[in-house]
Amino acid sequence: SAVISQKPSRDICQRGTSLTIQCQVDSQVTMMFWYRQQPGQSLTLIATANQGSEATYESGFVIDKFPISRPNLTFSTLTVSNMSPEDSSIYLCSVSGADGYTFGSGTRLTVV
Amino acid sequence: GESVGLHLPTLSVQEGDNSIINCAYSNSASDYFIWYKQESGKGPQFIIDIRSNMDKRQGQRVTVLLNKTVKHLSLQIAATQPGDSAVYFCAENRGTGRRALTFGSGTRLQVQP
Repeated sequence: SAVISQKPSRDICQRGTSLTIQCQVDSQVTMMFWYRQQPGQSLTLIATANQGSEATYESGFVIDKFPISRPNLTFSTLTVSNMSPEDSSIYLCSVSGADGYTFGSGTRLTVV
Repeated sequence: GESVGLHLPTLSVQEGDNSIINCAYSNSASDYFIWYKQESGKGPQFIIDIRSNMDKRQGQRVTVLLNKTVKHLSLQIAATQPGDSAVYFCAENRGTGRRALTFGSGTRLQVQP
Protein backbone atom coordinates (compact mmCIF):
# COMPACT_ATOMS: atom_id res chain seq x y z
CA SER A 1 0.00 0.00 0.00
CA ALA A 2 0.99 3.64 -0.43
CA VAL A 3 3.32 5.17 2.15
CA ILE A 4 2.45 8.66 3.36
CA SER A 5 4.84 11.16 4.89
CA GLN A 6 3.05 13.94 6.72
CA LYS A 7 4.81 17.01 8.12
CA PRO A 8 5.02 18.44 10.67
CA SER A 9 4.08 15.72 13.12
CA ARG A 10 3.12 18.31 15.71
CA ASP A 11 3.24 22.03 16.26
CA ILE A 12 2.23 24.66 18.80
CA CYS A 13 1.06 27.86 17.16
CA GLN A 14 -0.05 31.30 18.24
CA ARG A 15 -3.65 32.30 17.59
CA GLY A 16 -4.10 34.38 14.46
CA THR A 17 -1.26 32.67 12.60
CA SER A 18 -1.42 30.00 9.86
CA LEU A 19 0.14 26.56 9.55
CA THR A 20 0.69 24.59 6.37
CA ILE A 21 0.71 20.80 6.62
CA GLN A 22 2.35 18.74 3.91
CA CYS A 23 1.40 15.27 2.67
CA GLN A 24 3.81 13.38 0.42
CA VAL A 25 2.91 9.98 -1.05
CA ASP A 26 5.44 7.51 -2.43
CA SER A 27 3.30 6.70 -5.46
CA GLN A 28 0.80 8.45 -7.69
CA VAL A 29 -2.71 8.31 -6.29
CA THR A 30 -5.96 9.54 -7.72
CA MET A 31 -7.76 10.49 -4.53
CA MET A 32 -6.34 12.44 -1.59
CA PHE A 33 -8.33 13.55 1.41
CA TRP A 34 -7.85 15.72 4.50
CA TYR A 35 -9.51 14.87 7.82
CA ARG A 36 -9.71 16.57 11.19
CA GLN A 37 -9.81 14.67 14.46
CA GLN A 38 -10.74 16.86 17.40
CA PRO A 39 -9.66 15.75 20.89
CA GLY A 40 -11.41 12.54 21.88
CA GLN A 41 -13.42 12.47 18.67
CA SER A 42 -13.65 10.53 15.45
CA LEU A 43 -12.36 11.63 12.06
CA THR A 44 -14.30 14.24 10.11
CA LEU A 45 -13.67 14.84 6.43
CA ILE A 46 -12.55 18.38 5.63
CA ALA A 47 -12.16 18.11 1.87
CA THR A 48 -11.11 16.06 -1.11
CA ALA A 49 -7.95 17.40 -2.72
CA ASN A 50 -8.33 17.41 -6.51
CA GLN A 51 -5.27 17.47 -8.74
CA GLY A 52 -5.29 20.50 -10.97
CA SER A 53 -8.51 21.98 -9.65
CA GLU A 54 -10.03 23.43 -6.49
CA ALA A 55 -10.63 21.09 -3.57
CA THR A 56 -14.13 19.86 -2.76
CA TYR A 57 -15.08 20.94 0.75
CA GLU A 58 -17.52 19.29 3.13
CA SER A 59 -20.28 21.15 4.88
CA GLY A 60 -18.86 23.34 7.61
CA PHE A 61 -15.43 23.76 6.02
CA VAL A 62 -14.50 26.63 3.69
CA ILE A 63 -11.58 27.38 1.43
CA ASP A 64 -10.68 30.63 3.15
CA LYS A 65 -10.10 28.81 6.43
CA PHE A 66 -8.59 25.60 5.03
CA PRO A 67 -6.95 26.31 1.67
CA ILE A 68 -5.68 23.14 -0.02
CA SER A 69 -3.21 22.65 -2.81
CA ARG A 70 -2.68 19.55 -4.96
CA PRO A 71 -0.06 20.35 -7.58
CA ASN A 72 0.49 16.73 -8.64
CA LEU A 73 -0.58 13.14 -7.94
CA THR A 74 1.85 12.62 -5.05
CA PHE A 75 1.64 15.81 -2.98
CA SER A 76 -0.90 17.99 -1.21
CA THR A 77 -0.92 20.70 1.43
CA LEU A 78 -3.55 21.83 3.91
CA THR A 79 -3.29 25.26 5.50
CA VAL A 80 -5.11 26.09 8.71
CA SER A 81 -5.56 29.86 8.53
CA ASN A 82 -6.07 32.51 11.18
CA MET A 83 -5.96 29.89 13.89
CA SER A 84 -7.91 29.92 17.12
CA PRO A 85 -7.76 27.47 20.05
CA GLU A 86 -10.80 25.70 18.56
CA ASP A 87 -8.57 24.58 15.68
CA SER A 88 -6.50 22.45 18.05
CA SER A 89 -6.86 18.98 16.56
CA ILE A 90 -5.08 16.22 14.75
CA TYR A 91 -5.10 16.74 10.98
CA LEU A 92 -4.71 13.66 8.81
CA CYS A 93 -3.98 13.10 5.17
CA SER A 94 -5.42 10.01 3.48
CA VAL A 95 -5.17 8.50 0.02
CA SER A 96 -7.22 5.99 -1.89
CA GLY A 97 -5.48 3.72 -4.32
CA ALA A 98 -5.49 0.22 -5.74
CA ASP A 99 -4.56 -1.17 -2.31
CA GLY A 100 -7.33 0.65 -0.51
CA TYR A 101 -7.19 3.58 1.89
CA THR A 102 -4.05 4.67 3.71
CA PHE A 103 -3.59 7.34 6.37
CA GLY A 104 -0.68 9.49 7.36
CA SER A 105 0.40 9.59 10.98
CA GLY A 106 -1.24 12.98 11.45
CA THR A 107 -0.26 16.46 12.54
CA ARG A 108 -1.11 17.30 16.13
CA LEU A 109 -1.83 21.03 16.25
CA THR A 110 -2.15 23.01 19.45
CA VAL A 111 -3.20 26.66 19.20
CA VAL A 112 -2.41 28.86 22.18
CA GLY B 1 -0.62 15.31 25.56
CA GLU B 2 -4.21 14.16 25.25
CA SER B 3 -4.55 10.70 23.78
CA VAL B 4 -6.93 9.65 21.08
CA GLY B 5 -10.25 8.37 22.33
CA LEU B 6 -10.20 10.04 25.73
CA HIS B 7 -13.96 10.70 25.64
CA LEU B 8 -15.06 7.68 23.64
CA PRO B 9 -17.03 4.70 25.02
CA THR B 10 -14.68 2.14 26.52
CA LEU B 11 -14.73 -1.64 26.37
CA SER B 12 -12.60 -3.35 29.01
CA VAL B 13 -11.69 -7.02 28.59
CA GLN B 14 -9.32 -9.46 30.19
CA GLU B 15 -6.33 -10.65 28.27
CA GLY B 16 -7.22 -13.85 26.44
CA ASP B 17 -10.93 -13.11 26.23
CA ASN B 18 -12.73 -12.37 22.99
CA SER B 19 -13.74 -8.77 22.25
CA ILE B 20 -16.72 -7.58 20.27
CA ILE B 21 -16.88 -3.98 19.09
CA ASN B 22 -20.07 -2.76 17.46
CA CYS B 23 -20.87 -0.04 14.98
CA ALA B 24 -24.11 1.22 13.47
CA TYR B 25 -24.15 2.91 10.11
CA SER B 26 -26.87 5.03 8.61
CA ASN B 27 -26.56 4.97 4.84
CA SER B 28 -28.09 1.93 3.15
CA ALA B 29 -26.20 2.89 -0.02
CA SER B 30 -22.84 2.18 1.63
CA ASP B 31 -21.18 -0.74 -0.09
CA TYR B 32 -17.77 -1.02 1.55
CA PHE B 33 -16.83 -1.07 5.22
CA ILE B 34 -13.50 -0.99 7.01
CA TRP B 35 -12.36 -1.39 10.59
CA TYR B 36 -9.41 0.71 11.72
CA LYS B 37 -7.24 0.60 14.82
CA GLN B 38 -5.73 3.85 16.08
CA GLU B 39 -3.05 3.99 18.73
CA SER B 40 -2.09 7.19 20.47
CA GLY B 41 0.00 9.46 18.26
CA LYS B 42 -0.62 7.42 15.13
CA GLY B 43 -2.93 7.48 12.16
CA PRO B 44 -5.62 4.83 11.66
CA GLN B 45 -4.31 1.39 10.71
CA PHE B 46 -6.32 -0.95 8.49
CA ILE B 47 -7.56 -4.11 10.23
CA ILE B 48 -10.12 -5.73 7.98
CA ASP B 49 -12.71 -4.79 5.39
CA ILE B 50 -15.92 -6.20 3.98
CA ARG B 51 -18.09 -5.48 0.97
CA SER B 52 -21.85 -5.28 1.09
CA ASN B 53 -22.28 -8.52 -0.87
CA MET B 54 -20.82 -10.43 2.10
CA ASP B 55 -22.00 -10.87 5.67
CA LYS B 56 -18.83 -12.25 7.24
CA ARG B 57 -15.13 -12.05 6.65
CA GLN B 58 -12.29 -13.49 8.69
CA GLY B 59 -8.71 -12.42 9.12
CA GLN B 60 -6.00 -13.33 11.55
CA ARG B 61 -7.70 -13.28 14.99
CA VAL B 62 -10.32 -10.85 13.66
CA THR B 63 -13.77 -11.35 12.15
CA VAL B 64 -16.07 -8.70 10.74
CA LEU B 65 -19.81 -9.30 10.59
CA LEU B 66 -22.16 -7.19 8.49
CA ASN B 67 -25.92 -7.11 9.00
CA LYS B 68 -27.38 -4.97 6.25
CA THR B 69 -30.93 -5.43 7.49
CA VAL B 70 -30.26 -3.45 10.65
CA LYS B 71 -27.24 -1.55 9.29
CA HIS B 72 -24.88 -2.99 11.87
CA LEU B 73 -21.22 -3.90 11.73
CA SER B 74 -19.17 -5.71 14.35
CA LEU B 75 -15.52 -6.53 14.88
CA GLN B 76 -14.62 -9.63 16.84
CA ILE B 77 -11.10 -10.01 18.17
CA ALA B 78 -10.18 -13.48 19.39
CA ALA B 79 -7.83 -14.03 22.32
CA THR B 80 -7.40 -10.31 22.95
CA GLN B 81 -3.86 -9.21 23.78
CA PRO B 82 -2.52 -6.10 25.54
CA GLY B 83 -1.24 -4.91 22.15
CA ASP B 84 -4.85 -4.73 20.97
CA SER B 85 -5.49 -1.82 23.34
CA ALA B 86 -6.38 1.13 21.10
CA VAL B 87 -9.33 3.04 19.69
CA TYR B 88 -11.28 1.21 17.00
CA PHE B 89 -13.28 2.96 14.28
CA CYS B 90 -15.60 1.61 11.66
CA ALA B 91 -15.69 3.47 8.38
CA GLU B 92 -17.99 3.27 5.39
CA ASN B 93 -17.70 4.20 1.76
CA ARG B 94 -20.96 5.76 0.72
CA GLY B 95 -21.63 4.86 -2.86
CA THR B 96 -19.45 3.78 -5.72
CA GLY B 97 -15.88 4.64 -6.40
CA ARG B 98 -13.03 5.54 -4.12
CA ARG B 99 -14.75 8.32 -2.29
CA ALA B 100 -13.71 9.53 1.12
CA LEU B 101 -14.63 7.35 4.05
CA THR B 102 -17.18 8.31 6.67
CA PHE B 103 -16.10 7.30 10.16
CA GLY B 104 -18.15 6.05 13.09
CA SER B 105 -17.74 7.47 16.56
CA GLY B 106 -15.20 4.92 17.78
CA THR B 107 -14.69 2.61 20.76
CA ARG B 108 -11.72 2.51 23.08
CA LEU B 109 -10.59 -1.05 23.87
CA GLN B 110 -8.69 -1.60 27.11
CA VAL B 111 -7.12 -5.00 27.66
CA GLN B 112 -6.43 -5.86 31.27
CA PRO B 113 -3.45 -8.19 31.82
